Amino acid sequence: NAGVTQTPKFQVLKTGQSMTLQCAQDMNHEYMSWYRQDPGMGLRLIHYSVGAGITDQGEVPNGYNVSRSTTEDFPLRLLSAAPSQTSVYFCASRRDRTEAFFGQGTRLTVV
Amino acid sequence: AQSVTQLDSQVPVFEEAPVELRCNYSSSVSVYLFWYVQYPNQGLQLLLKYLSGSTLVKGINGFEAEFNKSQTSFHLRKPSVHISDTAEYFCAVSVAYKYIFGTGTRLKVLA
Repeated sequence: NAGVTQTPKFQVLKTGQSMTLQCAQDMNHEYMSWYRQDPGMGLRLIHYSVGAGITDQGEVPNGYNVSRSTTEDFPLRLLSAAPSQTSVYFCASRRDRTEAFFGQGTRLTVV
Repeated sequence: AQSVTQLDSQVPVFEEAPVELRCNYSSSVSVYLFWYVQYPNQGLQLLLKYLSGSTLVKGINGFEAEFNKSQTSFHLRKPSVHISDTAEYFCAVSVAYKYIFGTGTRLKVLA
């Protein structure tokens, strides 16, 4: 039982490049979310999903896309990377309103 | 709108001393409350949660928190801290489909 798996762990992008951060969970959780963590700002919600085929925006969605074709996977796409997207990204999943399980994070640097 | 406030961005405390990390929330609907801990370069893990029932909640590693509905607070306490408690602590509320985090409190335990 791996829990929530994020790949890659580290990534350096050039401004304007695109990439996909992968997130997979093996707990059959309906709810999945993407957060970014920046110093002094806590975790801010980018996008979330309440089930396969259903996604919605969080508080900082600009520059990011998501899709949820299966219960297990919830990839986050950066369309055209900008230095402001340098951050640590966390994926989380949960069964309902209670405990969330987090991946180990992806440290992204945009130069 | 719901929000979570952690007033203390950093809390230094000597080893074996007690500590309290403060969390206040605002919400017009009932919430579930959580404390998560993040060790350096790791994801978040659950310390404790309040869903209903007793307002004093015990968690892992000797931490506890008290839900105070009238003061809309959920402060985290530990009677005697250890060096290994050095980490960042996040308070969070779960409302409908969303998790909302505070900005975090960095606890530094001094020898």
